[in-house]
Amino acid sequence: EADIYQTPRYLVIGTGKKITLECSQTMGHDKMYWYQQDPGMELHLIHYSYGVNSTEKGDLSSESTVSRIRTEHFPLTLESARPSHTSQYLCASSELVERGEQFFGPGTRLTVL
Amino acid sequence: AQSVTQPDIHITVSEGASLELRCNYSYGATPYLFWYVQSPGQGLQLLLKYFSGDTLVQGIKGFEAEFKRSQSSFNLRKPSVHWSDAAEYFCAVGGGDDKIIFGKGTRLHILP
Repeated sequence: EADIYQTPRYLVIGTGKKITLECSQTMGHDKMYWYQQDPGMELHLIHYSYGVNSTEKGDLSSESTVSRIRTEHFPLTLESARPSHTSQYLCASSELVERGEQFFGPGTRLTVL
Repeated sequence: AQSVTQPDIHITVSEGASLELRCNYSYGATPYLFWYVQSPGQGLQLLLKYFSGDTLVQGIKGFEAEFKRSQSSFNLRKPSVHWSDAAEYFCAVGGGDDKIIFGKGTRLHILP
């Protein structure tokens, strides 16, 4: 079944640790996105990619980085986590067509102590 | 600049009652519009979308939305809600650059 996966679903970690949030999709989509969502707030785009070796920063500035070495995989990395990074991170993907529908993963809820 | 306003942060309705969630957008050209639903601890699921054509759009789970250009609105409706409809609902607008701007969401509560 075609789907989009995120791991871990929940992560509690101490300040200064390096973390990687995983996102994989089996739909063969070229476009992938990372959104940040604080509780009770809207989603903000922090990174997106049009395909392998393509990464762009989104509308919300983020200290995280992303990579796109394989079509199906779009991990997000924080080199040194801080409490201000506590949030929910949602990954999405879409076809490389105009106005393609975005499909979302279940999200990773990150808490930095 | 694109923007989306969902004026109601919380809405409470009784099970079986009708529902309307409001959404107003700001966009210079013809927008494309979405409604997503998010259950607690989950990602977003697309309910329906409007790109062009018929301004009344049917979606999944019995939801529909009407695009009104003159009012810059895209309100979501359901004739009879079920307890399982309790969730957060997000309206979103997109343009030619394939970026989507989300509203702040409306949390729907259902009374038994």
